Amino acid sequence: VQFQQWGAGLLKPSETLSLTCAVYGESLSVFNWHWIRQSPGKGLEWIGKVTHRGSTDYNPSLKSRVTISIDTSNNQFSLKLTSVTAADRAVYYCARDSPSAAGFWGWGQGTMVTVSS
Amino acid sequence: NFMLTQPHSVSESPGKTVTISCTRSSGSIANKYVQWYQQRPGSAPAIVIYEHNRRPSDVSDRFSGSIDSSSNSASLTISRLKTEDEADYYCQSYDNNNQGVFGGGTKLTVL
Repeated sequence: VQFQQWGAGLLKPSETLSLTCAVYGESLSVFNWHWIRQSPGKGLEWIGKVTHRGSTDYNPSLKSRVTISIDTSNNQFSLKLTSVTAADRAVYYCARDSPSAAGFWGWGQGTMVTVSS
Repeated sequence: NFMLTQPHSVSESPGKTVTISCTRSSGSIANKYVQWYQQRPGSAPAIVIYEHNRRPSDVSDRFSGSIDSSSNSASLTISRLKTEDEADYYCQSYDNNNQGVFGGGTKLTVL
C-alpha cells in the first residue's frame, strides 16, 4: 500500500486544518483508516479513525474539533480539525490498521502543519 | 486514561543487546496488545513488533518483544546491534475503547 497526503501546511490560529490521504494499491473497503499526529511536546497522538463503512471514532481530547471522512469512490480519506492553535503544530500522518493484527501497519509520509499568525 | 512510560534515551555499542521498557500506568499490560515502532529521522514510524511479541516477516529476528505482568511493562529487545538500528522507538497499546495510546518514545544511540 502507498499513501499520498496533501493539505495546507501553514495555518493561522482559529482556521481549519484540512488534510487528505489517497490510498494506492489497496481498497478502502478492507481496513480501518486513521490519522495520527506527532508534535515535539506530546510525541505520537492518535487522532481518530474511519471505518470502510464510514463509522468514526475520535480521541476524546480532540473530539469536539475533529471530523474524519471517507471517499471510497476516489479511494481517499480526509481529516478536518477546526479552530487550530499553536498546540496543533505537528506532523500529521495517515495510517491503516489490519483486520488480522493489532497496530498501525501502513503510514503516509506525513504532513507538517504549522500554526502561526 | 493510562500512560505508557518509556526512557527518553538508551545507548549501547554495536554487537551488544539493548532492551527498551514501556510501563503502563494503570490497567494490566497483558489485557491489550502492545506494539513497537521504529522511526528513523525524516520517516514515518514502522511496526517492528506487534501483539506483544510477534514479528512481521520483513523485520529482522534480532528484534523481539515481551511483557512482564509483575512490573506491568513491555520490553523491546534488539540483539547484535547495528548502527542502522539507531532510531526512535515507540510502544503503543489500546485503552478500553480500543483507541490507540503511544509511549513518549526512546532514542536509541548505537555508538
